[in-house]
Amino acid sequence: EAGVTQFPSHSVIEKGQTVTLRCDPISGHDNLYWYRRVMGKEIKFLLHFVKESKQDESGMPNNRFLAERTGGTYSTLKVQPAELEDSGVYFCASSRGGAYNSPLHFGNGTRLTVT
Amino acid sequence: SQKIEQNSEALNIQEGKTATLTCNYTNYSPAYLQWYRQDPGRGPVFLLLIRENEKEKRKERLKVTFDTTLKQSLFHITASQPADSATYLCARGNSGGYQKVTFGTGTKLQVIP
Repeated sequence: EAGVTQFPSHSVIEKGQTVTLRCDPISGHDNLYWYRRVMGKEIKFLLHFVKESKQDESGMPNNRFLAERTGGTYSTLKVQPAELEDSGVYFCASSRGGAYNSPLHFGNGTRLTVT
Repeated sequence: SQKIEQNSEALNIQEGKTATLTCNYTNYSPAYLQWYRQDPGRGPVFLLLIRENEKEKRKERLKVTFDTTLKQSLFHITASQPADSATYLCARGNSGGYQKVTFGTGTKLQVIP
């Protein structure tokens, strides 16, 4: 099966611009997660979808971040306007079920650099 | 807050030896701990999960332990190979219907031929 794919792999934008990251989960995986690693820190949870519904967005830093999963397939994460502290690697993960016995499958991430 | 602490110093070992990585957690015991492997420029890859009521899990050359008294998990790779060189991440999760896990910063393992 194809893995989780993320696009783009790298993005360099200026402060104040808008960027949209895309994640295509593994087919049939209802659960989709966004995580982020900022430089020197650990990977942190941003939010969780089940199909098209947001279940938990407690990790979203602020209202400059908007995640969507229309139709319950791919997901987008928009940052508008981007700030310097948004730089980092954004990972998407998917799982078939939600519980711990359904392993998370991660994509290779999008490296975002805000200058 | 719930934290995961891993030794940030790199671990260098000789090929064929057993590598042991440590993961310590704070506050109450998590429902489960997970171990992932991450290579440069790639996403984490799930390796093993151990639940709070399990002492030990094995998968091929990998072994994970969970000690609720010490608040610690150990991750062992036996007969290590240069291909095992990577960063290994520990993550904690709580009971619930989804995996909002808390990661450690990872330990970089280098297996020297």
